[in-house]
Amino acid sequence: DTAVSQTPKYLVTQMGNDKSIKCEQNLGHDTMYWYKQDSKKFLKIMFSYNNKELIINETVPNRFSPKSPDKAHLNLHINSLELGDSAVYFCASSPVAGGAYEQYFGPGTRLTVT
Amino acid sequence: GDSVTQMEGPVTLSEEAFLTINCTYTATGYPSLFWYVQYPGEGLQLLLKATKADDKGSNKGFEATYRKETTSFHLEKGSVQVSDSAVYFCALSPPGDYKLSFGAGTTVTVRA
Repeated sequence: DTAVSQTPKYLVTQMGNDKSIKCEQNLGHDTMYWYKQDSKKFLKIMFSYNNKELIINETVPNRFSPKSPDKAHLNLHINSLELGDSAVYFCASSPVAGGAYEQYFGPGTRLTVT
Repeated sequence: GDSVTQMEGPVTLSEEAFLTINCTYTATGYPSLFWYVQYPGEGLQLLLKATKADDKGSNKGFEATYRKETTSFHLEKGSVQVSDSAVYFCALSPPGDYKLSFGAGTTVTVRA
């Protein structure tokens, strides 16, 4: 049973396109996150939702828009893709909101923009 | 702001060698401290954590002690295996904060 799953695993697209990445967790957690990992492995929080409410919204371009239809799902939509958006995007979840709680990560989505 | 600094890699070791990865932090109050590990091609997973000063986290032969006086949380393992090859991330979360701030990651390669 996959705890946190993401689709697709790989995404190759051209500049200017719009794409979405989907995330689902079956752990019954209240809180979900999106992280971006760059080519040097640096990991940065982008967004977090707690029970469908946005609680973390870091300084990211407004081309990135998260959506949480229910607390088990958190999707990431990216408009007008740019070369600099190429990265690995990780979804994660935790039982409740709060950085002190263990976060469970998905396998990642490698986005390549050409 | 709150931040984590960890030793730069890559680190290459032979099997059964001693591993230490330094991590220091800057934060107000008493943050929770973590080590996460990322195996090749996978997402991160929690390795160990400590939530107050002098706590020792341990798992899979790895240990780290929360040192308030030196603001450090160094990761150690006495005898590494090839399967320990991974990227290791030190992270912190300030009290009452939603966020987890990660260090830059240290790539460790263990050779047979």
